[in-house]
Amino acid sequence: DAKTTQPPSMDCAEGRAANLPCNHSTISGNEYVYWYRQIHSQGPQYIIHGLKNNETNEMASLIITEDRKSSTLILPHATLRDTAVYYCIVRVAGTGNQFYFGTGTSLTVIP
Amino acid sequence: SAVISQKPSRDICQRGTSLTIQCQVDSQVTMMFWYRQQPGQSLTLIATANQGSEATYESGFVIDKFPISRPNLTFSTLTVSNMSPEDSSIYLCSGRGPDTQYFGPGTRLTVL
Repeated sequence: DAKTTQPPSMDCAEGRAANLPCNHSTISGNEYVYWYRQIHSQGPQYIIHGLKNNETNEMASLIITEDRKSSTLILPHATLRDTAVYYCIVRVAGTGNQFYFGTGTSLTVIP
Repeated sequence: SAVISQKPSRDICQRGTSLTIQCQVDSQVTMMFWYRQQPGQSLTLIATANQGSEATYESGFVIDKFPISRPNLTFSTLTVSNMSPEDSSIYLCSGRGPDTQYFGPGTRLTVL
């Protein structure tokens, strides 16, 4: 699986959009971009994933650049409960392909 | 989405003993995995739990230390054997669903 690079930490004001970047410059054509988050003392929670088109769900939006070498997770209106470590993972879809976690970005939402 | 439960949620054990962690998923998943998360660190994949056969271990993890069973599609166990304080970690069970992968709440293990 391709590796990802994320900033180790970020702050965001409550109510503002949180934009979390991820670089995956060696991503291959059949690898998806997945985002998970881990709130302290809990298991990782799935947020969103995409291949090349931008995606949106009730939690977040995922913007993938045209060359697919980077992506941004957007939390449109961050709340204190969004404080967590956010992991960007790239992997080939389908069975037999494990999720390997990088170091992630620790997001702190500030009141 | 799959709901994954683990037992126990936490335990404090003496060195040299073993602990078995149980994982139950509420729906059939195609694959199950075990991860370790050491204090302040990211998740590290230990192994893939294969139904009815030996688990597939990642580099650095061996069956004698982390025996794994998966007798059916929805249940798996991980044993941490002959524990030392370095085994103090959170151990997480994970299941692959049709769209993505889901994680249990973790078992927080402290070895004294």
